[in-house]
Amino acid sequence: ETGVTQTPRHLVMGMTNKKSLKCEQHLGHNAMYWYKQSAKKPLELMFVYNFKEQTENNSVPSRFSPECPNSSHLFLHLHTLQPEDSALYLCASSQGGDDSPLHFGNGTRLTVT
Amino acid sequence: SQQGEEDPQALSIQEGENATMNCSYKTSINNLQWYRQNSGRGLVHLILIRSNEREKHSGRLRVTLDTSKKSSSLLITASRAADTASYFCATESYNQGGKLIFGQGTELSVKP
Repeated sequence: ETGVTQTPRHLVMGMTNKKSLKCEQHLGHNAMYWYKQSAKKPLELMFVYNFKEQTENNSVPSRFSPECPNSSHLFLHLHTLQPEDSALYLCASSQGGDDSPLHFGNGTRLTVT
Repeated sequence: SQQGEEDPQALSIQEGENATMNCSYKTSINNLQWYRQNSGRGLVHLILIRSNEREKHSGRLRVTLDTSKKSSSLLITASRAADTASYFCATESYNQGGKLIFGQGTELSVKP
């Protein structure tokens, strides 16, 4: 196990649905991240939280809404998504600071119909 | 913005052979990291090399960094079928606000 747990593993939703992705880390890390991985494209950083405070929003559309209630939990709330939002959404955590490698969860495979 | 670019995009070798993957980047960096991703899974951190280091080893992995050429290589020696995965380089730099920027990855297939 990676120490970072994501649920659900798979999600199919219509464009008018509202759903949430959940991430929990058991590593005592201070920083948490959402990445989007689409086929044939590099990982795209979406959001960064340090000590529960959002420090990065990488020009992500407002139909994606992150929430970080504490340093161990991270959510990504989804509403009125588009088919091109279908991708693997990866959560990661790190100690924060320089030279801190990322620890990833196994992702949520999202399909928007 | 994409920083690291891996080469080749895909590599197929026989078990026991060595696999070499290359990564080039554009701006100065604090460190460069290599990650591995098995199909349908998350990325796993393999090794981190700092900008003032030239070579690092971890088990069957050897990473080199040439900051003058802005390039790095990952060598996997005596490959195994279980090494089949995608391998990504990622760069961290103050120019990028400390963010980790990933390349598109190399798909390695090791045939038994």
